[in-house]
Amino acid sequence: DAGVIQSPRHEVTEMGQEVTLRCKPISGHDYLFWYRQTMMRGLELLIYFNNNVPIDDSGMPEDRFSAKMPNASFSTLKIQPSEPRDSAVYFCASSWGGMAGNTIYFGEGSWLTVV
Amino acid sequence: SQKIEQNSEALNIQEGKTATLTCNYTNYSPAYLQWYRQDPGRGPVFLLLIRENEKEKRKERLKVTFDTTLKQSLFHITASQPADSATYLCASYNNNDMRFGAGTRLTVKP
Repeated sequence: DAGVIQSPRHEVTEMGQEVTLRCKPISGHDYLFWYRQTMMRGLELLIYFNNNVPIDDSGMPEDRFSAKMPNASFSTLKIQPSEPRDSAVYFCASSWGGMAGNTIYFGEGSWLTVV
Repeated sequence: SQKIEQNSEALNIQEGKTATLTCNYTNYSPAYLQWYRQDPGRGPVFLLLIRENEKEKRKERLKVTFDTTLKQSLFHITASQPADSATYLCASYNNNDMRFGAGTRLTVKP
């Protein structure tokens, strides 16, 4: 299996622009997670889905962030409008059976810089 | 508030020695602790999981302990190699909440 696939790997955008990050989870996994990693705050869970349904979005920083999972093999994280403080590495991850005692497989991340 | 902390931001050791990394948690009791390895520019990779009723887990040169009295997990790499140089993250799980520590950057010098 190719693992969790994210795109783009790097994105530089201007403040106020819309950013869309994409993720293809590992086939057969029923959970999908979006994380954000910064030097200041480390790795933070933004939102996770189970069988394409959002379960917990309490980590989404504000209304500028939205995530969708239209089918089992695709998810997006959108930031509109983007701000410089959104600059971070965004990881998508997937697992079979959720966080409880299961291995979470991370993608390689999308490196976002908002100038 | 619930916290998970990795005390050392960085650890430098000589090749062949045992590296010991520490993860402490406060104000909650995780059901599981996990350890991940993260290389620069890459995503975290799962290494080991230990449950609250387990004292110790081993995998090849890796060993992790879970001390619920001290509220601490130790992660050991024996016979360390330069290829073990990376950032190591601990993560705790409790009640649908998974938290990651900030990580310890390990450098193994030849």
